[in-house]
Amino acid sequence: EPEVTQTPSHQVTQMGQEVILRCVPISNHLYFYWYRQILGQKVEFLVSFYNNEISEKSEIFDDQFSVERPDGSNFTLKIRSTKLEDSAMYFCASAQRPMNTEAFFGQGTRLTVV
Amino acid sequence: GQSLEQPSEVTAVEGAIVQINCTYQTSGFYGLSWYQQHDGGAPTFLSYNALDGLEETGRFSSFLSRSDSYGYLLLQELQMKDSASYFCAVRDCTGGGNKLTFGTGTQLKVEL
Repeated sequence: EPEVTQTPSHQVTQMGQEVILRCVPISNHLYFYWYRQILGQKVEFLVSFYNNEISEKSEIFDDQFSVERPDGSNFTLKIRSTKLEDSAMYFCASAQRPMNTEAFFGQGTRLTVV
Repeated sequence: GQSLEQPSEVTAVEGAIVQINCTYQTSGFYGLSWYQQHDGGAPTFLSYNALDGLEETGRFSSFLSRSDSYGYLLLQELQMKDSASYFCAVRDCTGGGNKLTFGTGTQLKVEL
């Protein structure tokens, strides 16, 4: 069964450092998303990406965040200068169509900023 | 904006039936989805309602009332493995990104 894969599964970084979280969406999907979940809280939308550009971003997704689809398979989230409050689980998701009923999520990257 | 409210926690015994409610406020409603999440793992899709009524998928059913902005997830014949967090979510297209907006989540504990 096709799945969304994310690497690394865990990342520990020092405050102020840059991190890149990587995702390989399902191959025939066209809509890509990043979400985050602070421990014990709900899943929060960060950004959506379609046709090689950002289609929507939340207020969380400030200038420290960026996304890229550098080739036909990878989808990355970069945090330029991490803060303690960036510590969270980051989930990548993909969907086949905009009104698709189902989004597929990766297993997540647990980011810890120390 | 969008908001979805759920009970924070529900406890039930193995073999029982439990209902998890979700009320929502949203513009441009396209349907209500339910996702299951075990211990911070990947949210996995359970069901979707675009129209009023009940959708059944095995032991899980989901109900929607668009006029009441309300839905619920019904879990029957509860098993220990059903202990997880359950999130309702709406498809939100107002910002052009077709994102899912998630509810606050309900932690279900199944006891013997």
